[in-house]
Amino acid sequence: GAGVSQTPSNKVTEKGKYVELRCDPISGHTALYWYRQSLGQGPEFLIYFQGTGAADDSGLPNDRFFAVRPEGSVSTLKIQRTERGDSAVYLCASSPGQGHTEAFFGQGTRLTVV
Amino acid sequence: AQSVAQPEDQVNVAEGNPLTVKCTYSVSGNPYLFWYVQYPNRGLQFLLKYITGDNLVKGSYGFEAEFNKSQTSFHLKKPSALVSDSALYFCAVRDMQGSASKIIFGSGTRLSIRP
Repeated sequence: GAGVSQTPSNKVTEKGKYVELRCDPISGHTALYWYRQSLGQGPEFLIYFQGTGAADDSGLPNDRFFAVRPEGSVSTLKIQRTERGDSAVYLCASSPGQGHTEAFFGQGTRLTVV
Repeated sequence: AQSVAQPEDQVNVAEGNPLTVKCTYSVSGNPYLFWYVQYPNRGLQFLLKYITGDNLVKGSYGFEAEFNKSQTSFHLKKPSALVSDSALYFCAVRDMQGSASKIIFGSGTRLSIRP
């Protein structure tokens, strides 16, 4: 596609439920990033993939959060036993590779845990 | 560890006046620096980047930024502000030391341009 696509755009879930957020990067981009953004705050780094492998997952807040990218393209961010504090906009970005290139962002998924 | 600081939560400027949005960074190796803009209910849009070379880089919508290695700063500037420049601006850095490097963002600065 022309840009980074994230689905769903909005997700409302009950506390304790499991959710999956999907990211379709720009075709051919090998690097993929997940961020979390709370209202009025900067994007908080979660995890960074280079190809299929997680090059850096130091931003995942705890073991309820997990992300995969099995074929080096689409990625899924998975959150188990959701908590109200997980409510935020989850942003995905991709870039052609590591290095000096900038990252291109999707519109985000707004997750609300009630 | 890499980090970015945007010391101003909000910057207010009259239309037609020059604007500056401040950013300082900390990295172990050489920095790759970026500015992004976010309009309400929109994704982050890339404005400009510094990789190497000329310390003054030019980007989209008439914005430019000046890299200052001694002050570890990368301030965003525009000679003449427009009301349409009102948005949330984020500075970001990638530390190029090591084989894999994430992009870290600052907390953001809200730019408000009054007519």
